[in-house]
Amino acid sequence: DVQMTQSPSYLAASPGESVSISCKASKSISNNLAWYQEKPGKANKLLIHSGSTLQSGTPSRFSGSGSGTDFTLTIRSLESEDFAVYYCQQYNEYPLTFGSGTKLEIK
Amino acid sequence: QVQLKESGPGLVQPSETLSLTCTVSGFSLTSYGVNWVRQPPGKGLEWMGTIWNDGSTDYNSALKSRLSISRDTSKSQVFLKMNSLQTEDTAIYLCARGGAAPHYYVMDAWGQGASVTVSS
Repeated sequence: DVQMTQSPSYLAASPGESVSISCKASKSISNNLAWYQEKPGKANKLLIHSGSTLQSGTPSRFSGSGSGTDFTLTIRSLESEDFAVYYCQQYNEYPLTFGSGTKLEIK
Repeated sequence: QVQLKESGPGLVQPSETLSLTCTVSGFSLTSYGVNWVRQPPGKGLEWMGTIWNDGSTDYNSALKSRLSISRDTSKSQVFLKMNSLQTEDTAIYLCARGGAAPHYYVMDAWGQGASVTVSS
């Protein structure tokens, strides 16, 4: 199975700041990577697919980069609604696997 | 508006079978696949399996011997059945829609999940 290692697992930042979350795959997954946002009481939201393509409705302050084994989710100018848990997911091969999550909290 | 909603028993006895339903609206099961994903308490997400728009299925090999996913397109429902439950199967169970071509393996809409506890 492709192991997805996310870091950091916890991140504290202030509104207006920029943050980056790393996701590393145990083998090359090309650009077959998605990012999701999880918030309490809400359905998970797809933010980015294909490593860097914003899903319709995702604010432009979100961006994704990387290919192969190393990927990054960057959020510029954090807004209050961005404080959540973020997961990466590879879909290059079965079984589909997720990172362990990064909890972004307000500093 | 695309919606998915999971339902099922909140408590299951060890060694028994879990049955969950995902009721969808806003799209057709003959056009999109549906995934089941679970999240044990304090842990990450685990993909369990997919039923595709043509009714075929793919399963996580770690669960394949215990898992069955089926559907009733007339009722817009997808079903999960998993047998021989153990305490480690305690989790939030989520259904999620697969993306449109060519992004079939991306999950572009999710339900809020159904909590399942395995305990006697």
